[in-house]
Amino acid sequence: DTGVSQDPRHKITKRGQNVTFRCDPISEHNRLYWYRQTLGQGPEFLTYFQNEAQLEKSRLLSDRFSAERPKGSFSTLEIQRTEQGDSAMYLCASSLVRQLNTEAFFGQGTRLTVV
Amino acid sequence: AQSVAQPEDQVNVAEGNPLTVKCTYSVSGNPYLFWYVQYPNRGLQFLLKYITGDNLVKGSYGFEAEFNKSQTSFHLKKPSALVSDSALYFCAVRDSDTGRRALTFGSGTRLQVQP
Repeated sequence: DTGVSQDPRHKITKRGQNVTFRCDPISEHNRLYWYRQTLGQGPEFLTYFQNEAQLEKSRLLSDRFSAERPKGSFSTLEIQRTEQGDSAMYLCASSLVRQLNTEAFFGQGTRLTVV
Repeated sequence: AQSVAQPEDQVNVAEGNPLTVKCTYSVSGNPYLFWYVQYPNRGLQFLLKYITGDNLVKGSYGFEAEFNKSQTSFHLKKPSALVSDSALYFCAVRDSDTGRRALTFGSGTRLQVQP
């Protein structure tokens, strides 16, 4: 499978715990995006990377959230001290920068439930 | 600021009939517009995009969309609906003049195609 891969697919955690999600983009895609989707809503942008550089962050990305892409390949999204409001689907997407305005391809997401 | 409105939460259509899913947008510059589809427990799948050129854009699975600048709309259409088209559809926009890469999504429209 050469699509965007996310791990885990589901995560249940207790409030206050830290969680980390991983995203493996499509090979050769140098842009990587994180979005969050809550029930009944469209995805909301969190952040994006070009290679290893984090170029844009949403105001939704509070201090408890941190994203990395250390080698310009896979990325991790960590949420510290989780809150019930963090329960959502976290979507990763990737795209190719050398083609202008190319569309982003999404993974299947990680569903986080904070209890 | 960029925004998208999908005025219908749900659209019902009989199989074989034409379908339209509505989308209007707001950007300060020139829009890049996208349609994605989401099946249950699946990630977002790209359908089509408008960047420049012809106002009628053709995409995957027989879908097309018409860009109307004066009405700031980008409605998704298909001449003959299939039961398998039943899914959640998202319109998204990016302002080409800001340099930002983040897509802003609408809240989605559930398409139900009845046999």
